[in-house]
Amino acid sequence: AQSVSQHNHHVILSEAASLELGCNYSYGGTVNLFWYVQYPGQHLQLLLKYFSGDPLVKGIKGFEAEFIKSKFSFNLRKPSVQWSDTAEYFCAVRSSGGYQKVTFGTGTKLQVIP
Amino acid sequence: NAGVTQTPKFRVLKTGQSMTLLCAQDMNHEYMYWYRQDPGMGLRLIHYSVGEGTTAKGEVPDGYNVSRLKKQNFLLGLESAAPSQTSVYFCASSYPDRYEQYFGPGTRLTVT
Repeated sequence: AQSVSQHNHHVILSEAASLELGCNYSYGGTVNLFWYVQYPGQHLQLLLKYFSGDPLVKGIKGFEAEFIKSKFSFNLRKPSVQWSDTAEYFCAVRSSGGYQKVTFGTGTKLQVIP
Repeated sequence: NAGVTQTPKFRVLKTGQSMTLLCAQDMNHEYMYWYRQDPGMGLRLIHYSVGEGTTAKGEVPDGYNVSRLKKQNFLLGLESAAPSQTSVYFCASSYPDRYEQYFGPGTRLTVT
């Protein structure tokens, strides 16, 4: 069964600091990978996704993620965070081929201090 | 285009009461899902549906039932609510070939 690990549960950064949130998955085959964001009091929104091709994926609001197959990782990055990036971030994985459910990580809460 | 909507937004139940949460989507998505979100546990899949008239169990189905009588609606029922079912419930939908999910605003349920 596939699983997703997000090792950072709570991250506190000052504005303009760089961000990297870790995501590791366990599944040996081809995967689809996602990062979702949940702003306070709101529902989850897709931040970016990887299906195939260039392993460096760019998403909305200046976020990017790199798929490293050999490390089973899909870390989320942003060079300079803003206070408005305060949110909870979820990594998710789906094994491709037929119907397979999407598995979500436990989430990382990011707090950006002005 | 409303996307995914959920009814109600908030609800307080007493132990043993029943209720139904309604999810509706207007994007003609085949797949629909019900999740619960609990602190420190992320999203856990309760039930899902890959089409009208079909449902399947997810990770945590016990105590819940679902129905998908119409393509656009996915109902989640609690027959006899328990305090352990206090949670935020999210509905989501997706196309079958892309799997990026569109989420509703959530229902905050408290069982006392």
